[in-house]
Amino acid sequence: RKEVEQDPGPFNVPEGATVAFNCTYSNSASQSFFWYRQDCRKEPKLLMSVYSSGNEDGRFTAQLNRASQYISLLIRDSKLSDSATYLCVVNIRNNDMRFGAGTRLTVKP
Amino acid sequence: DVKVTQSSRYLVKRTGEKVFLECVQDMDHENMFWYRQDPGLGLRLIYFSYDVKMKEKGDIPEGYSVSREKKERFSLILESASTNQTSMYLCASIRGTTQTEAFFGQGTRLTVV
Repeated sequence: RKEVEQDPGPFNVPEGATVAFNCTYSNSASQSFFWYRQDCRKEPKLLMSVYSSGNEDGRFTAQLNRASQYISLLIRDSKLSDSATYLCVVNIRNNDMRFGAGTRLTVKP
Repeated sequence: DVKVTQSSRYLVKRTGEKVFLECVQDMDHENMFWYRQDPGLGLRLIYFSYDVKMKEKGDIPEGYSVSREKKERFSLILESASTNQTSMYLCASIRGTTQTEAFFGQGTRLTVV
C-alpha cells in the first residue's frame, strides 16, 4: 500500500469554478502535511502547509482530518494560472517526506 | 536566495555505465533527498540522508546508492545504469524540523540507452 494516495485526476474546470482535491495517508503517526504545486517541466514548490485546525490562504483552503487520515485542498474562483499539478506531501517521521502521485488541474477559459 | 543545484539538467548514458548525479544546497540543511518522478507515479523516494554519512532507504532503493560526505552535498549513484532507470531525478533539502518547506533542485532528466 502506498504511503500517500491522491485523486489521479486530471481535473478540467472552467475559470471561476471551485475544485477540491483529496489525499489519504496510511501512517497514523505522520507528523506534518503539505500541498506542493508543480508547473510543467519545473520543480515542485510549497503551496501551503496543512494544520489540524485548517488553514486558508486567499482562494486556497487546506484541511486535515487525522481521524480519517486525509487532507484536502480547495481552490475557489479558479484562475487560468492555477493550472498545474498539485502534490500532497506527508512527513511520516524524522523528515521522511513522501509525495502523492499528483493531481493535474487544467483551468480553461 | 536559497538554492539547491543539481549538476546536470540533461544526461544520456549507456546501459551498464556507472552514473553519478550530484546535488548541492547552500542552506545548511540537515536533510537531503533523492526522488525520481515518472508519469502517473509521482515522486518516489529513493534515498534520504539526515546527517553527514547517514542514509536511509526510501521506497525504491534497488539499483541505487548514495553518498553524503559533506553536509551540503548529496550524491546519487547508479551502479550499473539500466533503461528502466530513465527518469527525471529530483533532489530536495529541508531543515531538521518537521514543519519546514522542502526546496528542490531543477531536476536531471536521465536517459539510459
